[in-house]
Amino acid sequence: AQSVTQLGSHVSVSEGALVLLRCNYSSSVPPYLFWYVQYPNQGLQLLLKYTSAATLVKGINGFEAEFKKSETSFHLTKPSAHMSDAAEYFCAVSLFGNEKLTFGTGTRLTIIP
Amino acid sequence: ETGVTQSPTHLIKTRGQQVTLRCSSQSGHNTVSWYQQALGQGPQFIFQYYREEENGRGNFPPRFSGLQFPNYSSELNVNALELDDSALYLCASSFQGAILETQYFGPGTRLLVL
Repeated sequence: AQSVTQLGSHVSVSEGALVLLRCNYSSSVPPYLFWYVQYPNQGLQLLLKYTSAATLVKGINGFEAEFKKSETSFHLTKPSAHMSDAAEYFCAVSLFGNEKLTFGTGTRLTIIP
Repeated sequence: ETGVTQSPTHLIKTRGQQVTLRCSSQSGHNTVSWYQQALGQGPQFIFQYYREEENGRGNFPPRFSGLQFPNYSSELNVNALELDDSALYLCASSFQGAILETQYFGPGTRLLVL
């Protein structure tokens, strides 16, 4: 069975600083990996997805993530944090493209002015 | 292009009652998945429907059931509500027919069971 672990339930960064949200996965086969963002009282919005085509994946709003098989990681980064980035971020894995998503417990990102 | 919509947005029920939540898929999508997100947790997969048939189920009891209609909209039904059923219920639609398709989420229905 596949799973994801998000290290750090809460992360705070200053506006303009680097954002790094950590995600490690466990899967018996090459996985599909996703990052979703959830703003307060809203559903989930896809930030980016890993499809095995390229290890460095660029998403919306300046976010990107790098798939590292040797480390079983898919960490999310953004060079310069903006106040609008404050939200809950979820890493998710699936074995097949349209199969069920297995989510991590989420990381709440706070931006300090 | 219309996105995924869900109704109602909020709902309050009492323990033992039954509830029906509704989801309209994004245009062109033929698959609907339902997730339960308890407070402070990540979403948990309930089940998926494709071509009006259940196409995978998570670790939820039979009192959680669903339907998919010919227009690909869907319902989630929960019988004999328990306090622990209080959560945000998310619907996601996608198109099954390619190797990798993204699931697009609706805004969710927040259910409170008293």
